[in-house]
Formats: sequence, structure tokens, C-alpha cells
Amino acid sequence: EAGVVQSPRYKIIEKKQPVAFWCNPISGHNTLYWYRQNLGQGPELLIRYENEEAVDDSQLPKDRFSAERLKGVDSTLKIQPAELGDSAVYLCASSSLGREGTDTQYFGPGTRLTVL
Amino acid sequence: SQQGEEDPQALSIQEGENATMNCSYKTSINNLQWYRQNSGRGLVHLILIRSNEREKHSGRLRVTLDTSKKSSSLLITASRAADTASYFCATAPDSSYKLIFGSGTRLLVRP
Repeated sequence: EAGVVQSPRYKIIEKKQPVAFWCNPISGHNTLYWYRQNLGQGPELLIRYENEEAVDDSQLPKDRFSAERLKGVDSTLKIQPAELGDSAVYLCASSSLGREGTDTQYFGPGTRLTVL
Repeated sequence: SQQGEEDPQALSIQEGENATMNCSYKTSINNLQWYRQNSGRGLVHLILIRSNEREKHSGRLRVTLDTSKKSSSLLITASRAADTASYFCATAPDSSYKLIFGSGTRLLVRP
């Protein structure tokens, strides 16, 4: 079974430029997450989707970040314009909510963004 | 904000030794999970322990949970060089789907 696929793996851009990340979750997983991981830290949730609905985007900086999950499968995370502080690894994860509300999240390899 | 705090931040051991990492958290939880992250790669789920469980094993991994102290430990027995990675605990607070990650323990297993 294929895991979570993300692209690109690496992206280097200049500040004020736009950038987009793509994620294809594990087949059949209805829940999709985007995380940001700063150097030396654990991931922090940006947004969570249940099918095509964003059920929690409270941590998403909405002035410059946007996300979509059309048809409840693939998802795109966009930053426009990028700032120096956006340099981080952006991780996508998916899960299929199990019994009792617990779920295991399966992570993609991430996109390492460097903003110059 | 990050709820979990791992201790130590970094650990260096010889191959064959056991490695113990600790995690403390602040709020009541539904479950606690441990993940591993190799350099430059995504996180891999290792083990999940529910709030009503005290100990769980998976291969060379042993996880304990003490909800009264709001702490957990991950023990890797007979470590191997391939165990070199960062290890994160992640808590799922009560009535929440969210996973809140700690800042991780960087483990180096010397051959």
C-alpha cells in the first residue's frame, strides 16, 4: 500500500514569492492534516480536513496561508507571500478514524521549504 | 503550543545498550503516542497507549504511562545503530482528535 505522498520534497524561494505544496493521502483515509515543523521542534498542526471540509484551521495564518482539499482526496497548501519565518518542513498526514475516537496518523516525507 | 516535553533532549549510547526517553504533558489525555523521525524524513508511528493502560510492548519497545504524574516513558532495548533518530511523544487530549507533539529526543546509537 502506498503511503502519503508529498511534493515537492524541497523548495527554495525568495521572500514575497508564492509557494504551493501538494499531498496525496493514503487511499481511503478521510482525514488529512497539514503540520509545520520548525528545526529542532515537533510538528504543529496547521489545518485538519474531514473529507473536503476544513474542521479545524485555527492555527492556520490566514493572512498568507490557504489550503484546499477538492473532492476530499488530494490537498494543496499555499503560502502567498512567503516570509523568512516560513522556512520549515511542511508535513502532510492522513488517518482513518478508528473506534473510540483514536487514530494513527500516517505522515508523508514532508516538503522542506527555505525562504531566502 | 506544545504540550509534551521530552527528556533528555539528546541521548548518545552504545549499540546493544538500552535507551530510555521520558515525556511529560500537562492536560488529561485520551491516548499518548510515540513517533520516530529519521533525518530528513517523515514521522513513523511506533506505538499508542490509551489512558486506561499502564504498559505496552511492541518488539523491542516498551512504553509506560502514568496518568497521575502525567508522564510516559519509551524504552528501546538492545539498541541498534538503525535506531538513531528523533523520538517524539504526541498526546491526544480528552475529547479531541488533535495530536500535540513534544520537541523530541535525539537518539544517537554508536556502532
